[in-house]
Amino acid sequence: NAGVTQTPKFQVLKTGQSMTLQCAQDMNHNSMYWYRQDPGMGLRLIYYSASEGTTDKGEVPNGYNVSRLNKREFSLRLESAAPSQTSVYFCASSVSPLAARTDTQYFGPGTRLTVL
Amino acid sequence: LAKTTQPISMDSYEGQEVNITCSHNNIATNDYITWYQQFPSQGPRFIIQGYKTKVTNEVASLFIPADRKSSTLSLPRVSLSDTAVYYCLVGDIESYQKVTFGIGTKLQVIP
Repeated sequence: NAGVTQTPKFQVLKTGQSMTLQCAQDMNHNSMYWYRQDPGMGLRLIYYSASEGTTDKGEVPNGYNVSRLNKREFSLRLESAAPSQTSVYFCASSVSPLAARTDTQYFGPGTRLTVL
Repeated sequence: LAKTTQPISMDSYEGQEVNITCSHNNIATNDYITWYQQFPSQGPRFIIQGYKTKVTNEVASLFIPADRKSSTLSLPRVSLSDTAVYYCLVGDIESYQKVTFGIGTKLQVIP
């Protein structure tokens, strides 16, 4: 049981290049999330997917697109990378059970992205 | 989403009990209180969650007073490996899908 996995672990891009960050979970969770973490800023939600087939914007969605490929996989795409997108990106998932009052997120190890 | 306030940093010696308090004055009736721990170069990890009174697990205790306007995460007898950032989150099942972690409390355990 690997939990939440992310690829790649590290990536360096030039301004204007594109790339896709991959995330997969094997816990049969319904919801998945993408965060970015910058020094002194905490974790900020980029996009989330409450269930397979749905995606919604979080706090900082500009410059990103997402795809919930299936229940297991949730990818984050940077179409034209900018230096401001240099950050550590975390993917997370949660059960989001029906009729539940609360939830718990499980995080991947992160992708460290540098845009030059 | 209830706004939370917690200390930016704390220092503690090994073996001591550490209490980190989080203020959430506008907590709503359906909101739960959840704490996460993040080690350097890793993603956050769930520690403990509660609604009222006291919750205890193998890692920590969570104390919530009757008015629920604050909560205290208690780590017994900390070791160097407890050095991490601790985040307090408050919300219900819907708001958790839009949660922002904030900068948390950076706990430094000193030998």
